[in-house]
Amino acid sequence: GAVVSQHPSRVICKSGTSVKIECRSLDFQATTMFWYRQFPKKSLMLMATSNEGSKATYEQGVEKDKFLINHASLTLSTLTVTSAHPEDSSFYICSARGLAGRGRGYEQYFGPGTRLTVT
Amino acid sequence: QQQVKQSPQSLIVQKGGIPIINCAYENTAFDYFPWYQQFPGKGPALLIAIRPDVSEKKEGRFTISFNKSAKQFSLHIMDSQPGDSATYFCAAAGENAGGTSYGKLTFGQGTILTVHP
Repeated sequence: GAVVSQHPSRVICKSGTSVKIECRSLDFQATTMFWYRQFPKKSLMLMATSNEGSKATYEQGVEKDKFLINHASLTLSTLTVTSAHPEDSSFYICSARGLAGRGRGYEQYFGPGTRLTVT
Repeated sequence: QQQVKQSPQSLIVQKGGIPIINCAYENTAFDYFPWYQQFPGKGPALLIAIRPDVSEKKEGRFTISFNKSAKQFSLHIMDSQPGDSATYFCAAAGENAGGTSYGKLTFGQGTILTVHP
């Protein structure tokens, strides 16, 4: 239980294009999903928090127009990196938290991550 | 006040040893303290978590010790194995943790653990 998937696992795109990353909670309803960015050998940096049906809350310094987050259902959130540039290359990880069953309360369950490379 | 400080940055032990990773926090509103294990190229996996009403929690070979007065908590890995070699992150969250959104995790800097055969 408490499985979170991400798709794609790896993507290479050209500078200036947009990339969409999907995050799905497979066996529970995720009322809240979080998006993180992780640089090599570094900790996780929270980018934004999204609640189903409402606008995402972005952390200070994260450009909301560049990193578009949509949480349209209780099992799906998407992160779109718009007009990607090489400096956006990173490991993007989502997590999900629900209110019932596994994922109750504070527990966050993480996806496997998406490696984005912008050339 | 939102920081969680984790040490050491890296740790090498022999198989069967008991690595100990320490974390300290400032925000007394934190009331949930999980540990995550991350392998290279993978997402973090929840290992074990504790709340401040207990001083110790054990799950399998993993034990969390919690000292509320010192605002510190630590992870002990008993009978460590080479397969435990990974990066470990502590984290903290709280319902009313200084204006942060409910349950938002604040992560420590991570500890790279290497267990030699």
